[in-house]
Amino acid sequence: EDQVTQSPEALRLQEGESSSLNCSYTVSGLRGLFWYRQDPGKGPEFLFTLYSAGEEKEKERLKATLTKKESFLHITAPKPEDSATYLCAVHSFSGGYNKLIFGAGTRLAVHP
Amino acid sequence: DVKVTQSSRYLVKRTGEKVFLECVQDMDHENMFWYRQDPGLGLRLIYFSYDVKMKEKGDIPEGYSVSREKKERFSLILESASTNQTSMYLCASSSTPVTNYGYTFGSGTRLTVV
Repeated sequence: EDQVTQSPEALRLQEGESSSLNCSYTVSGLRGLFWYRQDPGKGPEFLFTLYSAGEEKEKERLKATLTKKESFLHITAPKPEDSATYLCAVHSFSGGYNKLIFGAGTRLAVHP
Repeated sequence: DVKVTQSSRYLVKRTGEKVFLECVQDMDHENMFWYRQDPGLGLRLIYFSYDVKMKEKGDIPEGYSVSREKKERFSLILESASTNQTSMYLCASSSTPVTNYGYTFGSGTRLTVV
C-alpha cells in the first residue's frame, strides 16, 4: 500500500538554527514528490516538485532533496516567518486513478 | 494566478443537518478534489471529479456525496452531518490529473458539527 510518513511531527527551532524535515515514502512507481507549506487556517501552497533520486530544488532558505526512499526539506538559518506546517505528498497511480497521497505534516515553529 | 475559492471559512452545523460546501475555480481546470484534514492523519481524499457530471469515490467517501453540474464548481454534500465529520475541508483543482505543481488548494472550510 502506498504510504507517506513525515517526521518529526513538530519541530521547534531558534532563529538561525538550521535543521531538516523528513518525508519517507512507499509507492509503486514514483511519479513525483511534492512539498507544500500550510499556514494556520489556510490551504497548502506549493513549494517544490521532485521527480528522480538525486534531484534537488532550492527556494530562499529551503532546499528539497530526494532519494529512492525519502525526501528531506532542509531549512537553513530559518526565520520566524518560516513557521508553518510543511506537507509532503507523492503522486501515485492506484485503484485505477491518479492521486496525491499526503503525509500528516511537520509543524515548524521558529522562535526569535 | 489560479484561484480556488471555498464559500465559507467557518461553519457550525447541528447533527443531522444536510450541509453543502461549495468550491469554485476560475482557471478552467478539468479536475477537482475534496479532501478533509485532521490532526495526525494528514489530507484524505473524499471525492474527485475529472469532468462535468463525473464523480469518483476517493479513500473515505462514506457519509458524503458530491455534485459537479458546471466545470468550475464542485460541491461537497454531507447528507446527515455527524460529529465525526467535524474537520477542515479542502478543495483543490488541477488542469491534468496531477500537474508539475500538484494541485492548487482553496483556503479551506473549518466545519464544526455539534
